[in-house]
Amino acid sequence: AQSVTQLGSHVSVSEGALVLLRCNYSSSVPPYLFWYVQYPNQGLQLLLKYTSAATLVKGINGFEAEFKKSETSFHLTKPSAHMSDAAEYFCAVSDRGNNAGNMLTFGGGTRLMVKP
Amino acid sequence: EPEVTQTPSHQVTQMGQEVILRCVPISNHLYFYWYRQILGQKVEFLVSFYNNEISEKSEIFDDQFSVERPDGSNFTLKIRSTKLEDSAMYFCASIFGGRGGGETQYFGPGTRLLVL
Repeated sequence: AQSVTQLGSHVSVSEGALVLLRCNYSSSVPPYLFWYVQYPNQGLQLLLKYTSAATLVKGINGFEAEFKKSETSFHLTKPSAHMSDAAEYFCAVSDRGNNAGNMLTFGGGTRLMVKP
Repeated sequence: EPEVTQTPSHQVTQMGQEVILRCVPISNHLYFYWYRQILGQKVEFLVSFYNNEISEKSEIFDDQFSVERPDGSNFTLKIRSTKLEDSAMYFCASIFGGRGGGETQYFGPGTRLLVL
């Protein structure tokens, strides 16, 4: 079974500082990988996803993530944090294959706090 | 932009009562999902639904749970006899499903269920 680990349930950065949120997966076959963001009282919104050859994936709001097979990682970064980035971030995986309906397995989430 | 909607946003019920949570997926989507998030815990997959039948379900989705697509737009989750441990945020999600694996799941804003 798939599992996803997000190191750090809470991360605090200063405005303008680098954001790094960690995600590691366990799977013998690299899965599809996703980062979702949840703002207070809202649903989950896709930030970016890795589904094919390009290992550096760019998403919305200046976020990007790099798939590293050797490290089974898909860490999320943003060069300069903004106050509006404060939210909960979830890494998720689904099995690779032709079945379009595969479920998502989520990590525990990381709450990002941005200090002025 | 099309979005997944859920009603109600909050529901309080007494233990042992039946609840129905409602979702309207994006109109041309074919796969539907329910996930839940107990406070402070991971988002967990409950069930996926395609072509008017369950395609996959987790161990959480026992006989107390059922799903239905009663008409062309709604997708419901019923809990027959609620328990205290059913208190959680319930998310509905959908995908088109015709584009191979790795499609983005679009999530609704969630229904917060509190069982007293």
